[in-house]
Amino acid sequence: SAVISQKPSRDICQRGTSLTIQCQVDSQVTMMFWYRQQPGQSLTLIATANQGSEATYESGFVIDKFPISRPNLTFSTLTVSNMSPEDSSIYLCSVARGTDTQYFGPGTRLTVL
Amino acid sequence: GEDVEQSLFLSVREGDSSVINCTYTDSSSTYLYWYKQEPGAGLQLLTYIFSNMDMKQDQRLTVLLNKKDKHLSLRIADTQTGDSAIYFCAERDDKIIFGKGTRLHILP
Repeated sequence: SAVISQKPSRDICQRGTSLTIQCQVDSQVTMMFWYRQQPGQSLTLIATANQGSEATYESGFVIDKFPISRPNLTFSTLTVSNMSPEDSSIYLCSVARGTDTQYFGPGTRLTVL
Repeated sequence: GEDVEQSLFLSVREGDSSVINCTYTDSSSTYLYWYKQEPGAGLQLLTYIFSNMDMKQDQRLTVLLNKKDKHLSLRIADTQTGDSAIYFCAERDDKIIFGKGTRLHILP
């Protein structure tokens, strides 16, 4: 398995501000991902965080809104920029181990007022 | 595009077996997963099955895969109050696609 921590665990933010979420893994991993889980919904992949290059974004998500950093093989950040109430969600970091398993962090619960 | 469907709710009496069903559309799926999410927590990988297997058993959990019908199920034997959670079915080809989750409610 993998031990994944996220900071902050939750936050309440004002409209128009930005929040950076940190994800730390207990060992080096090649693949790191960021997901969003809107209230009562399933998980949607935002992007794959690539070490040493730009993140790969899924359809409907753009770098200006969700900039991602991946400075090394154990750490990544996701920024939610210029927030609106529609960005209120749980944001989850995830890592892949090998080709078959994928583990998730505890999530960051974001509320935008 | 790919889609994963599962019923939203299931109520089961404590001690009975729970069966959570899931259907998917991607015939290229390599792995299929069951994740558990307890209130306020992240996702816990419960079990997974490779697409060339029919069944996998792990203690109280049994996963059945019917690849022809693209149907996956999770059976939890002797359901306990601690099993109360949302269970997500997911399939993987190049990326993981999740269902909307089944909320399992345990009746006393």
